[in-house]
Amino acid sequence: DAMVIQNPRYQVTQFGKPVTLSCSQTLNHNVMYWYQQKSSQAPKLLFHYYDKDFNNEADTPDNFQSRRPNTSFCFLDIRSPGLGDAAMYLCATSRPLSRGQYFGPGTRLTVT
Amino acid sequence: AQKVTQAQTEISVVEKEDVTLDCVYETRDTTYYLFWYKQPPSGELVFLIRRNSFDEQNEISGRYSWNFQKSTSSFNFTITASQVVDSAVYFCALGAAGNKLTFGGGTRVLVKP
Repeated sequence: DAMVIQNPRYQVTQFGKPVTLSCSQTLNHNVMYWYQQKSSQAPKLLFHYYDKDFNNEADTPDNFQSRRPNTSFCFLDIRSPGLGDAAMYLCATSRPLSRGQYFGPGTRLTVT
Repeated sequence: AQKVTQAQTEISVVEKEDVTLDCVYETRDTTYYLFWYKQPPSGELVFLIRRNSFDEQNEISGRYSWNFQKSTSSFNFTITASQVVDSAVYFCALGAAGNKLTFGGGTRVLVKP
């Protein structure tokens, strides 16, 4: 089945230790998104790619970066995780937005 | 700017009761899209329905139904004969120009046996 896959599902990292979360899709969608969701809150968009064009949200900290080497894969890099970065990170895809965004199962990040 | 308001933060019902979730949105765009997503305890956001601004036809799908009223900028969602498996957080979202979604704050639904 076509889907959005996120690995790992659970990630533990140490304060200040770089971490990379990955997302892959078999839907062949040209837009990919990364969201941060903290407990009891709505997902917050960090950035998205339209094909290779990167679109950063104005309030996304510099600590968060992303790479999209090809249509299928997208990575979220957190350069120096702080305790406040502990959250669920959701990847989504769409083409076009009118048909909705399709979300992966998320990666729950814990920072110790 | 886009805004989505879900006034109900939590709803608790007994199984088989109907549940209606309210969603009110604000946008200046004439073309936009509305969505409902379900987030069970596992964390994945599950797409339920989409509507575009030109389609005010209400829909019933199994136990789910949606009421889109452009005149009041509302896009409400009803679960009929609720079941324990319906327990989740439900998000209403608005999509407009720029491929981005604006989410409401979510409504937690708790269905008790």
